[in-house]
Amino acid sequence: DVVMTQSPLSLPVTLGQSASFSCRSSQSLVYSDGNTYLDWFQQRPGQSPRRLIYKVSTRDSGVPDRFSGSGSGTDFTLKISRVEAEDVGVYYCMQGTHWPYTFGQGTKLEIK
Amino acid sequence: QVQLMESGGGLVKPGGSLRLSCAASGFTFTDYHMSWIRQAPGKGLEWLSSIPSTSTYTRYADSVKGRFTISRDNARNSLYLQMNSLRADDTAVYYCARGRYDGSADYWGQGTLVTVSP
Repeated sequence: DVVMTQSPLSLPVTLGQSASFSCRSSQSLVYSDGNTYLDWFQQRPGQSPRRLIYKVSTRDSGVPDRFSGSGSGTDFTLKISRVEAEDVGVYYCMQGTHWPYTFGQGTKLEIK
Repeated sequence: QVQLMESGGGLVKPGGSLRLSCAASGFTFTDYHMSWIRQAPGKGLEWLSSIPSTSTYTRYADSVKGRFTISRDNARNSLYLQMNSLRADDTAVYYCARGRYDGSADYWGQGTLVTVSP
């Protein structure tokens, strides 16, 4: 199985500052069709996960442009510029290239 | 608006069975792959099973292969997960999710809790 490794596991951030989440996969996530199926999810406390970004860098509808995704191959990043209180939660990366699809262990964003 | 409503969770003894349902509304059900994903208490996410709109194939994680069966009824806009031979480590919140393609999950339900305990 593809192992997704996220870092850090905990990320304390001051309101208004930026946050950066890292996700690395144990093998390339480039699929035979040329796409890279790497998604990012946000799970606020007590809520279901919500997809923020799909195929590395495409924001889902309604996701603020403060959220951006980048990366390629095995190394990916989610960035939040100007963190707000509503951004608190756990952020997961997920690969949808190789079955079984796998998630990272999550990074918990908290406000300093 | 898009709604995915899971039901059927509860307390079951080890070795028992449960059938989860997911009622979909607010979108064209047959345009989407559907999946089951679970989250053990205080833990991360595990993608369990997927099925395309035409049910031409199904996928299962090794942890549930041979014990769980995914199915869908497009006429009823519903997704199901038949869970047999349940074990304590199956205790989790079970989410259904839709996706435009296999391996995508753009909308999730609120989840249903399954507890396997004597």
